[in-house]
Amino acid sequence: ELKVEQNPLFLSMQEGKNYTIYCNYSTTSDRLYWYRQDPGKSLESLFVLLSNGAVKQEGRLMASLDTKARLSTLHITAAVHDLSATYFCAVDLYNTDKLIFGTGTRLQVFP
Amino acid sequence: GAVVSQHPSRVICKSGTSVKIECRSLDFQATTMFWYRQFPKQSLMLMATSNEGSKATYEQGVEKDKFLINHASLTLSTLTVTSAHPEDSSFYICSARMIGARYNEQFFGPGTRLTVL
Repeated sequence: ELKVEQNPLFLSMQEGKNYTIYCNYSTTSDRLYWYRQDPGKSLESLFVLLSNGAVKQEGRLMASLDTKARLSTLHITAAVHDLSATYFCAVDLYNTDKLIFGTGTRLQVFP
Repeated sequence: GAVVSQHPSRVICKSGTSVKIECRSLDFQATTMFWYRQFPKQSLMLMATSNEGSKATYEQGVEKDKFLINHASLTLSTLTVTSAHPEDSSFYICSARMIGARYNEQFFGPGTRLTVL
């Protein structure tokens, strides 16, 4: 059974600090997506990672993909309150149309 | 670009009634649309995949007679929750994949919150 696990599930961090969210998956895939969800809202696409070693950055967020380790990371630099949201990774299930979502990481940034 | 709309955004209905949710890709044509369900503070669970002009493919454990999906055109898919019960209350989110997309990037609708009394 395909599993996509995120760690941590909940993260409370102070403004200005750095932290990394991890996304581990259990099957072969070379495509991974990161999404942000605000409470009561739908998903906003953050990053699309299409190959081993891919690294993308936007503002205070940077995502990377290691397909050999089946691991993606979302690194937060100098967190600000506006980053408070739930972050999901999603794995492209090989040879199918499907995205399998991770468990989600709820991030709260406080002053 | 790549906007997906859903209607209604919120619906409250009585137990036993049916509810239809529309998902539209506004500025692109979608080969495939997906329907997800999300319970509070949980992840998204894929319910079904629909392709225009063909029957939807349902995930294991999803009752196809309860959750009717119609993908009538390249820009519209509908989900009908038949004989809804309180346990069907959830946040339903659709997504769409562009025609000709080289990979499975999906664009998500704003979601529909269904409450069954």
